[in-house]
Amino acid sequence: NAGVTQTPKFQVLKTGQSMTLQCAQDMNHEYMSWYRQDPGMGLRLIHYSVGAGITDQGEVPNGYNVSRSTTEDFPLRLLSAAPSQTSVYFCASSYSRSGSPLHFGNGTRLTVT
Amino acid sequence: EDQVTQSPEALRLQEGESSSLNCSYTVSGLRGLFWYRQDPGKGPEFLFTLYSAGEEKEKERLKATLTKKESFLHITAPKPEDSATYLCAVQTPGGGADGLTFGKGTHLIIQP
Repeated sequence: NAGVTQTPKFQVLKTGQSMTLQCAQDMNHEYMSWYRQDPGMGLRLIHYSVGAGITDQGEVPNGYNVSRSTTEDFPLRLLSAAPSQTSVYFCASSYSRSGSPLHFGNGTRLTVT
Repeated sequence: EDQVTQSPEALRLQEGESSSLNCSYTVSGLRGLFWYRQDPGKGPEFLFTLYSAGEEKEKERLKATLTKKESFLHITAPKPEDSATYLCAVQTPGGGADGLTFGKGTHLIIQP
């Protein structure tokens, strides 16, 4: 049972480059989300999705784009990387948006130079 | 605005030395409080959900309790493998786009 799988584990980008962080879950969860984790700060929500074809913004959405074409996949796109986007990114899924615990992937550590 | 404060920020214990981690919150309308464990280089791993004051949950050496203002994660006779960062999160009708507000975590080190 793989749970939530994120790729790549590590990535280095130059300022202005774009890339996609991949996330897939095999638990048939309707709810998926992306967080970033920075030192000294709690997890902050970037974007979320309550089902295929439905996405919405979280707390820190600027510079990121998402789509949800299937229940399983929820990629996060960085449109034009900036040093402020250096962070660890976590994808998570849960049975529902409210009241259910999140299941997290193991993260992507991104460095933007 | 919902607020979650975890204390202490870091805690170093000897193996077998029991202690408690605190998660205090100021929210309007709690839908649930979650505890997670996070190992270095890994994503948070779900431990417990608590929904109402007075509720308790246990798993091995861990016990989570909930009052109207705070939650405690009690660690009894910890072992070195319990070393991790412990995160709490509260879910409320007004807490962020997904209703979740995370604390900054308590970094726990258990020395042999």
